[in-house]
Amino acid sequence: DIQMTQSPSSLPASVGDRVTITCRASQSVRNSLSWYHQKSGKAPKLLIYDASNLQSGVPSRFSGSGSGTDFSLTISSLQPEDFATYYCQQNDNLPWTFGQGTRVEIK
Amino acid sequence: EVHLLESGGAFTQPGGSLRLSCAASGFTFSNYAMSWVRQAPGKGLEWVSLITKNSDRTHYADSVKGRFTISRDNSNNELYLQMNSLTAEDTALYFCVTDSTAPAWGQGTLVTVSS
Repeated sequence: DIQMTQSPSSLPASVGDRVTITCRASQSVRNSLSWYHQKSGKAPKLLIYDASNLQSGVPSRFSGSGSGTDFSLTISSLQPEDFATYYCQQNDNLPWTFGQGTRVEIK
Repeated sequence: EVHLLESGGAFTQPGGSLRLSCAASGFTFSNYAMSWVRQAPGKGLEWVSLITKNSDRTHYADSVKGRFTISRDNSNNELYLQMNSLTAEDTALYFCVTDSTAPAWGQGTLVTVSS
């Protein structure tokens, strides 16, 4: 199975901050990587697919980059609604696997 | 608009069985493979199972292999997960998810296994 490792696990930040979350795969997943954020008890919301494509309706402050094994998600100016847990997911090979999550919290 | 609505989650005892359903609308269901993903309380996301669009292949996580069965009914746009021999470790919110470039998720149905 492909292991997905996110860092950091926790990210204290303030409104307006630029934040970056990284995700590393244990082997190449090409560009088959998605980013989600999730608020407690809710379904994950897709932000980025195929590593760098912004999902329809998602604000342009979110961006993704990377390919192969190293990926990142950047929020250019953190907004109050962005405090949540973020997950990366590879769908290049079964079983799909997810990062352990990054909790973006108020500093 | 893509819409996925899970149902069938309930409280059950260890060793029990449940059947989850997912009603799909807003897209051509028969064109997509489908998956179940679960999330235990306070934990991360775990892929559970996938079925191809015409049901010719199914795949399972090791943690559920031999106990869970995924199936689908393309004529009624429904996805199912039959869960047998449930244990406390199966307690989770279960989501159905499209196997697509931009995956769509349902809102989830809660399964609680406890004595």
